[in-house]
Amino acid sequence: QSALTQPASVSGSPGQSITISCTGTSSDVGAYNFVSWYQQHPGKAPKLIIYEVTNRPSGVSNRFSGSKSGNTASLTISGLQAEDEADYYCSSYTRRSTHVFGTGTEVTVL
Amino acid sequence: QVQLAEFGGGVVQPGGSLRLSCVASGFSFSTSGMHWVRQAPGKGLEWVTFIRYDGSNTYYADSVKGRFTTSRDNSKDTLYLQMNSLRLEDTAVYYCAKVGGHTHRDWFDPWGQGTLVTVSS
Repeated sequence: QSALTQPASVSGSPGQSITISCTGTSSDVGAYNFVSWYQQHPGKAPKLIIYEVTNRPSGVSNRFSGSKSGNTASLTISGLQAEDEADYYCSSYTRRSTHVFGTGTEVTVL
Repeated sequence: QVQLAEFGGGVVQPGGSLRLSCVASGFSFSTSGMHWVRQAPGKGLEWVTFIRYDGSNTYYADSVKGRFTTSRDNSKDTLYLQMNSLRLEDTAVYYCAKVGGHTHRDWFDPWGQGTLVTVSS
């Protein structure tokens, strides 16, 4: 199972919006709405920020939003803040009853 | 609150074995599916395995199938990962994570703090 494809890095200035793409296939991202996103700060465990493509857990800022079109899911961070600087990973359930993560995106706040 | 704590990491030689534990608290462990996810140093996340709440069903990544076995003891609120025939490429931080929803298809939430496994001669 190949990893989902994400850009290696994305950057933006405080207050700006950025979007991270997550491209899979018709056997994973395109097959289900079981796409989730995770934020990971250095040396820390990943934290769930989006589940089932668009849903935000309680306590997660509404500056984070998710969407999906075909085989590509996206995470948008609006009103970028310094604390958003971290690595972000998408994940999808697959037709083989496994899960696959994205390659990861490093977000830098300029 | 929901907490997961992994134990058992360490240094092991190629071909060796190691058993990791994940102790759960703050939720009904016996009704929750559980995952193991790993992260090699400086690399991305890799899903490893899932076990159903009652242990009756498991799934594995191709990279560990036949070498790793996940199990659980609901009387001890503990999840296990038995790792055999370890390879250099198994070096990683291993996280346990609770199923966020109700099925094995759902998201991972929350995660433990991870335990480092180093395979080295």
